[in-house]
Amino acid sequence: EPEVTQTPSHQVTQMGQEVILRCVPISNHLYFYWYRQILGQKVEFLVSFYNNEISEKSEIFDDQFSVERPDGSNFTLKIRSTKLEDSAMYFCASRAGTPNSPLHFGNGTRLTVT
Amino acid sequence: ILNVEQSPQSLHVQEGDSTNFTCSFPSSNFYALHWYRWETAKSPEALFVMTLNGDEKKKGRISATLNTKEGYSYLYIKGSQPEDSATYLCAFFLGGSQGNLIFGKGTKLSVKP
Repeated sequence: EPEVTQTPSHQVTQMGQEVILRCVPISNHLYFYWYRQILGQKVEFLVSFYNNEISEKSEIFDDQFSVERPDGSNFTLKIRSTKLEDSAMYFCASRAGTPNSPLHFGNGTRLTVT
Repeated sequence: ILNVEQSPQSLHVQEGDSTNFTCSFPSSNFYALHWYRWETAKSPEALFVMTLNGDEKKKGRISATLNTKEGYSYLYIKGSQPEDSATYLCAFFLGGSQGNLIFGKGTKLSVKP
């Protein structure tokens, strides 16, 4: 069964550094998402992406965040200048074209900012 | 601000017990409610997508019901097994083909052998 893959599984970075989290969604899916979960808190929506542009973003997704689908298969989340509070598990998800199709999640990237 | 509430936050049961937990969501502008199962060290996995008031869905020993008029959904597990131990997330779908999901905090289920 096709799956969403994320790399790396764990990223440690220093405060102020840029990080890029990578995702390969399921190939025939049309909608792509990034969510995160800070330890002990709920899963939070960051951004959704459709037709090569951001369709919706949350308040968390400020100017420090950006997403790209550079080559039609990868879907990346970039954090330009990481803060301690960016430490979280970041999940990529994709969804097929029908409105009631579920999200398919990757295994996540644990980002630790020191 | 849309709020999706789940209760209880955690639940400890013995193997063989049946259990259920609740998801509450806004009853207006309803499109769909999703249930996901999230095992430790794995990614959330879709259980059900529910769209109609009165919907009841079943997958093995797990079933879910939906009441859109009062804004709640129940997830039932019959005869819990240790492998059912996971966090169960519900998520309110905001609608449209590009809508995102608003997640509850989840119910963490532990099943003791």
